[in-house]
Amino acid sequence: QVQLQQWGAGLLKPSETLSLTCAVYGGSFSIYYWSWIRQPPGKGLEWIGEFNRSGSTNYNPSLKNRVTISVDTSNNQFSLKLSSVTAADTAAYYCARGLSITLVRGTKLLGMDVWGKGTTVTVSS
Amino acid sequence: DIQLTQSPSFLSASVGDRVTITCRASQGFSSYLAWYQLKPGKAPKLLIYSASTLQSGVPSRFSGSGSGTEFTLTISSLQPEDFATYYCQQLNSYPPTFGPGTKVDIE
Repeated sequence: QVQLQQWGAGLLKPSETLSLTCAVYGGSFSIYYWSWIRQPPGKGLEWIGEFNRSGSTNYNPSLKNRVTISVDTSNNQFSLKLSSVTAADTAAYYCARGLSITLVRGTKLLGMDVWGKGTTVTVSS
Repeated sequence: DIQLTQSPSFLSASVGDRVTITCRASQGFSSYLAWYQLKPGKAPKLLIYSASTLQSGVPSRFSGSGSGTEFTLTISSLQPEDFATYYCQQLNSYPPTFGPGTKVDIE
């Protein structure tokens, strides 16, 4: 059974860089999408970005200038970096595996079927 | 970005009730819509994808339907473990966006 184990610093000061890593255990790495999603306290879910099956990344435009998602395929891990954090970046951060289908023009994400347990990140001076 | 709204934002129901949650999109698309269940302190759980496909392991009392701008999640007979917050998500275009959530509480 696939499991995602995530870790990273939980307390940051404004202007620092958030860094989280997610390790994939028990499943194939190359045939899925790998995403990061966050949920600020008392608010809804926000998609941050992904590494997709084509080997490219997509980011939420609202965060695009600050976010980087990288992949270490040799260790079945993927990572999130978010620079210049502020209090607005305080949230529970989740890594997730994305289900997809193959279409004529490529692949299409269908939903996130396996999630990490989440990491609470607090930004405070 | 495609904006999603959900109604109701909160509902109070009893065990055994039939519950329907609606997700409306700011622009129409075919079927790239997913539903998730969130409970405090737990990872989100995928219930439905492609608007109506039940995720493996999810009880059959959950069902999804719709296309275009209106989608629904139905729980045919609410169980105690179903009290949670439910979110829809569109995956038709980037960035994938979520609805604001519907909290299902015990009446």
